[in-house]
Amino acid sequence: DAGVTQSPTHLIKTRGQQVTLRCSPKSGHDTVSWYQQALGQGPQFIFQYYEEEERQRGNFPDRFSGHQFPNYSSELNVNALLLGDSALYLCASSPPGDNEQFFGPGTRLTVL
Amino acid sequence: GQNIDQPTEMTATEGAIVQINCTYQTSGFNGLFWYQQHAGEAPTFLSYNVLDGLEEKGRFSSFLSRSKGYSYLLLKELQMKDSASYLCAVKSNYQLIWGAGTKLIIKP
Repeated sequence: DAGVTQSPTHLIKTRGQQVTLRCSPKSGHDTVSWYQQALGQGPQFIFQYYEEEERQRGNFPDRFSGHQFPNYSSELNVNALLLGDSALYLCASSPPGDNEQFFGPGTRLTVL
Repeated sequence: GQNIDQPTEMTATEGAIVQINCTYQTSGFNGLFWYQQHAGEAPTFLSYNVLDGLEEKGRFSSFLSRSKGYSYLLLKELQMKDSASYLCAVKSNYQLIWGAGTKLIIKP
């Protein structure tokens, strides 16, 4: 049984560009959360998707948007990239009614 | 505001015991998690406390006091592979609010 998968593993973009990151949750999981982790810091909550709707959002600008598909997979889109968006982007999935979040390996985004 | 504090770095000796503390002030509380994160890797789940008291799982134990806004992670019989960052996270509504992590260095 595959765990949470994310693609791509690494990505390099320039300022002003747009990026889409993808996440496939663990089998049987219906909730997907996205986090941004800067080097040496704890993860920061971006948003959570459940039943194809954004259920809760953290303190991130509208440049960050997302989507959840009927198969529970999810995308994170970031527009008008800034240098400060360089970070590890983590996706986590949860099974129905469970608190534990299982993390994917992350996507390392570098903005030049 | 939301605030989670834990020490930046700790050093311990192989075979010993170490306690990593976490204090929190959050607008909501639906449980406290501890995760382990090796450099360049994703966090992996260690423990979850929602009621006061001690939860033991093998070499790792976690304690919670909701009235004091305090938790600790206890690691026994330390092994070199335990060298990692340990992150405390509070669940508030649907989100996890994270501390910056404690880097644990294990010396032979």
